[in-house]
Amino acid sequence: LAKTTQPISMDSYEGQEVNITCSHNNIATNDYITWYQQFPSQGPRFIIQGYKTKVTNEVASLFIPADRKSSTLSLPRVSLSDTAVYYCPLKGSGNTPLVFGKGTRLSVIA
Amino acid sequence: GAVVSQHPSWVICKSGTSVKIECRSLDFQATTMFWYRQFPKQSLMLMATSNEGSKATYEQGVEKDKFLINHASLTLSTLTVTSAHPEDSSFYICSARDGLATYNEQFFGPGTRLTVL
Repeated sequence: LAKTTQPISMDSYEGQEVNITCSHNNIATNDYITWYQQFPSQGPRFIIQGYKTKVTNEVASLFIPADRKSSTLSLPRVSLSDTAVYYCPLKGSGNTPLVFGKGTRLSVIA
Repeated sequence: GAVVSQHPSWVICKSGTSVKIECRSLDFQATTMFWYRQFPKQSLMLMATSNEGSKATYEQGVEKDKFLINHASLTLSTLTVTSAHPEDSSFYICSARDGLATYNEQFFGPGTRLTVL
């Protein structure tokens, strides 16, 4: 699966909207874009998935441009509990496993 | 969402001994499970794909004789670290995809912290 590239770290104050970008220049036609959150010493937790345009759920929004070579995870009004590492692995067809990049370490400050 | 469990959550063992880690899908059947390893401050690294009833597929650089994987049923996969050494100390995470889930997403277990003395 294509590799993804993200900023290594980001800082934000509580209550702000945070946008984390992910670059996936070699995304395949069948790939979906997924985002996961991981807290220390825990397994990753699924946040959101999209193929194109915009997807929104109760915790986040995902913006995907027409060329699908990048995506942006938007977290509205973050709180201290959103401090975690965020990953954007691509999901291929069938049972191909997720391959994780380095992720973005988000630190939310009071 | 679907639940994946792991046992034990942490284990400490002496160098040279073997350790078995269990991964279970609690409310769905998983023909395929995945094993990852994560070192401190690093990303998850895929070790192998575990297939029910057949041999596991290992990623390049992962020793199949050292990391034995058995997928005995549709809800259980085990990873055995044989003759463990301190460099095998890591956080091991299993995962499975629920084909009936809304997004066919991959669910992860809580992880197992292995410390080899």
